[in-house]
Amino acid sequence: AQTVTQSQPEMSVQEAETVTLSCTYDTSESDYYLFWYKQPPSRQMILVIRQEAYKQQNATENRFSVNFQKAAKSFSLKISDSQLGDAAMYFCAYRNVRNSNSGYALNFGKGTSLLVTP
Amino acid sequence: DARVTQTPRHKVTEMGQEVTMRCQPILGHNTVFWYRQTMMQGLELLAYFRNRAPLDDSGMPKDRFSAEMPDATLATLKIQPSEPRDSAVYFCASGEGFYEQYFGPGTRLTVT
Repeated sequence: AQTVTQSQPEMSVQEAETVTLSCTYDTSESDYYLFWYKQPPSRQMILVIRQEAYKQQNATENRFSVNFQKAAKSFSLKISDSQLGDAAMYFCAYRNVRNSNSGYALNFGKGTSLLVTP
Repeated sequence: DARVTQTPRHKVTEMGQEVTMRCQPILGHNTVFWYRQTMMQGLELLAYFRNRAPLDDSGMPKDRFSAEMPDATLATLKIQPSEPRDSAVYFCASGEGFYEQYFGPGTRLTVT
């Protein structure tokens, strides 16, 4: 089964600064999807950004961007101009394109808790 | 603004009781997923459906958990009998095909 590792249990950033959250994954597949989800204290899981493995261009959504390094199996999330509302748990997730033993389920990392200080 | 809805949002029950959680997927989405979130295990898949047919429920304890989709607008997850170790947040997610998954707000279950 594919594994997703988030090595930073907690991160802290000052408002308006930039922070990068790390994620690595293990897979033998060549085509797959990667996601970052945000979970604020409300518990709602919110999709932040997605990346298709076949695309070399890094995905960007407003202040959120990723650094996708396929050979290194690394998928980090950069948050620019951090805001107080960005404080949340962030989960990295992997999903196969084709059906396999792990099916179409999202495989999640353990999460990184982001604290934003004024 | 289309959203996945889940009921109830919170449930406290005694060990041995039946628990039913409901999910209304986003209209038009043909895949539905059930996940469980605990501090120890993180987020793990319990079951998923495509076009109302169960495709994988290998993550569910079969003796006590069951998942169904009686129609395209309703998915249910039942636990009978419930145990304290079932205490967790249960998420439903839906998607169009198998690409993105949109999550509901979750049901926080506490079994005493």
